[in-house]
Amino acid sequence: DAGVIQSPRHEVTEMGQEVTLRCKPISGHNSLFWYRQTMMRGLELLIYFNNNVPIDDSGMPEDRFSAKMPNASFSTLKIQPSEPRDSAVYFCASTQGQNYGYTFGSGTRLTVV
Amino acid sequence: AQSVTQPDIHITVSEGASLELRCNYSYGATPYLFWYVQSPGQGLQLLLKYFSGDTLVQGIKGFEAEFKRSQSSFNLRKPSVHWSDAAEYFCAVGERGGGFKTIFGAGTRLFVKA
Repeated sequence: DAGVIQSPRHEVTEMGQEVTLRCKPISGHNSLFWYRQTMMRGLELLIYFNNNVPIDDSGMPEDRFSAKMPNASFSTLKIQPSEPRDSAVYFCASTQGQNYGYTFGSGTRLTVV
Repeated sequence: AQSVTQPDIHITVSEGASLELRCNYSYGATPYLFWYVQSPGQGLQLLLKYFSGDTLVQGIKGFEAEFKRSQSSFNLRKPSVHWSDAAEYFCAVGERGGGFKTIFGAGTRLFVKA
């Protein structure tokens, strides 16, 4: 298995632009998570899905952030409009059950200038 | 709500020396407990996990952790550190029953000196 695949690996964009981050979970994993990592705040859970349904989006910082999971093999995290304070590494993770732990992707490093 | 505390922001050990990374958690019941490792520029990798049973759990790369309910702790240990162990280590606590939410500690960065 190729693991959790995230794209792009790096994204540099200008303030105000729309940014879309993509994630392909491991086949057979029914839960997917989006995390944001910064030096100041560490790892923050933004949103997670079970069986493609959003369960908890309380970590999504603002309405500028949205996430979708149209099918079991794909999820997106969108920021519109982007701001410099959104600069961070965004991780996607998936699992087939809590007792298995998570498998993380390599992350997308987002820089908003 | 659950929380995780890793008291040490960074630790430096000599290669070949033993290692213990501390982790304390707050949760209403016995949680799922995890340790992850993150190398620079990479995602997190699961080292080991505890759900029930034997309180001493073995993981990959020669790591082990011990769950102590009385101390609400789940410390990570390794008897002999290798230079390749230099990384950031995260303790995490997960909900039991229903949700799959996992909360991560702030991390401990391990430096290994020759």
